[in-house]
Amino acid sequence: GAVVSQHPSRVICKSGTSVKIECRSLDFQATTMFWYRQFPKQSLMLMATSNEGSKATYEQGVEKDKFLINHASLTLSTLTVTSAHPEDSSFYICSASSDRANQPQHFGDGTRLSIL
Amino acid sequence: AQKITQTQPGMFVQEKEAVTLDCTYDTSDPSYGLFWYKQPSSGEMIFLIYQGSYDQQNATEGRYSLNFQKARKSANLVISASQLGDSAMYFCAMRGTANFGNEKLTFGTGTRLTIIP
Repeated sequence: GAVVSQHPSRVICKSGTSVKIECRSLDFQATTMFWYRQFPKQSLMLMATSNEGSKATYEQGVEKDKFLINHASLTLSTLTVTSAHPEDSSFYICSASSDRANQPQHFGDGTRLSIL
Repeated sequence: AQKITQTQPGMFVQEKEAVTLDCTYDTSDPSYGLFWYKQPSSGEMIFLIYQGSYDQQNATEGRYSLNFQKARKSANLVISASQLGDSAMYFCAMRGTANFGNEKLTFGTGTRLTIIP
């Protein structure tokens, strides 16, 4: 089946650091990638939709200058949490989809971000 | 706007029994897709099953089946012969346009399923 790779799986860093998370589709071309945030015991909250070669579409309330998204190729999207603070600590997970009919989104394994 | 409702925050089921996880939805889109994902404690999201709104038959994938009742706007997941490894969080989700993969998903709040030996 389709595989999406997400790295790193866990990050612990100091407040003020910028953190980059990569999401790669390994065996298909992902025209669209999605970035989610999940707080403990809660559902996934969509942060932004990323389309290859164009600017990301952010959901209401998500700071685009805080969460920078780049989708430079059909197999790679990156999320950079800039100047991270403790309140940015969360589980971040990406998904990727092609434009093929009736295909589900395939998710990466997620990144657990802890800001000290 | 789309909405997914999962009314069971947690369920405990004896091993080998069948279990039904409830999901109702609301949408104004004439065409949509419904999905179930499993999230174990490790965090990854595992795709289980898909149902298109115009599919005539209920979807099945191994021990998973989707009880799709369009008039009632429900898409319940049925797991037959539950196993200890089925213990996880389960999310129902929908997408506005059934035939394209680049539409965003709307997720329910999830049901935590615990299988008892």
